[in-house]
Amino acid sequence: DAGITQSPRYKITETGRQVTLMCHQTWSHSYMFWYRQDLGHGLRLIYYSAAADITDKGEVPDGYVVSRSKTENFPLTLESATRSQTSVYFCASSPVPYEQYFGPGTRLTVT
Amino acid sequence: DQQVKQNSPSLSVQEGRISILNCDYTNSMFDYFLWYKKYPAEGPTFLISISSIKDKNEDGRFTVFLNKSAKHLSLHIVPSQPGDSAVYFCAASLKSGNTPLVFGKGTRLSVIA
Repeated sequence: DAGITQSPRYKITETGRQVTLMCHQTWSHSYMFWYRQDLGHGLRLIYYSAAADITDKGEVPDGYVVSRSKTENFPLTLESATRSQTSVYFCASSPVPYEQYFGPGTRLTVT
Repeated sequence: DQQVKQNSPSLSVQEGRISILNCDYTNSMFDYFLWYKKYPAEGPTFLISISSIKDKNEDGRFTVFLNKSAKHLSLHIVPSQPGDSAVYFCAASLKSGNTPLVFGKGTRLSVIA
């Protein structure tokens, strides 16, 4: 189906483990984004990418790694998960950076 | 420093009445503003936008007003319906600079039947 998908939708992991959240879009949008949503903080930008092999830090990049080898995929990796990274993560894509189409989200719990 | 502020975490309105959600911004360079709506367990969805060259944009029951001198925008929903109950995020961008959106913290709207 066309659109933007995220996997897994729910994930529980332990402190110190590496975890990768996947994002895939079928629109061939140039831009892709990762946000986290936390109570009291709204949506905060972690990383974004303007095209394959081009990534930029957002507001809260520490503890996260991204890559974009293909236009349609933008995985987010937590190299050593911490409890403070428990959050809901949203991926988004767009043809331009000021209009974003969001995926359904991944709820991550770090124990 | 928060560049986009939604100072009301929640708002409760009766069905059929007007809902007014407010948003303030600090960066006078922002030239494009959007509202997103988010239901539980779903991603935010685009609702309505306005460019800084306008002061009003209307789409059905939804109208966004922009007051550049006050650095303030508002979303009006008339009439409010129970299905409008959601979290609403205000967002701003420097469109001419090709920068990503900056979001506010959101306002939870509850429309009571």
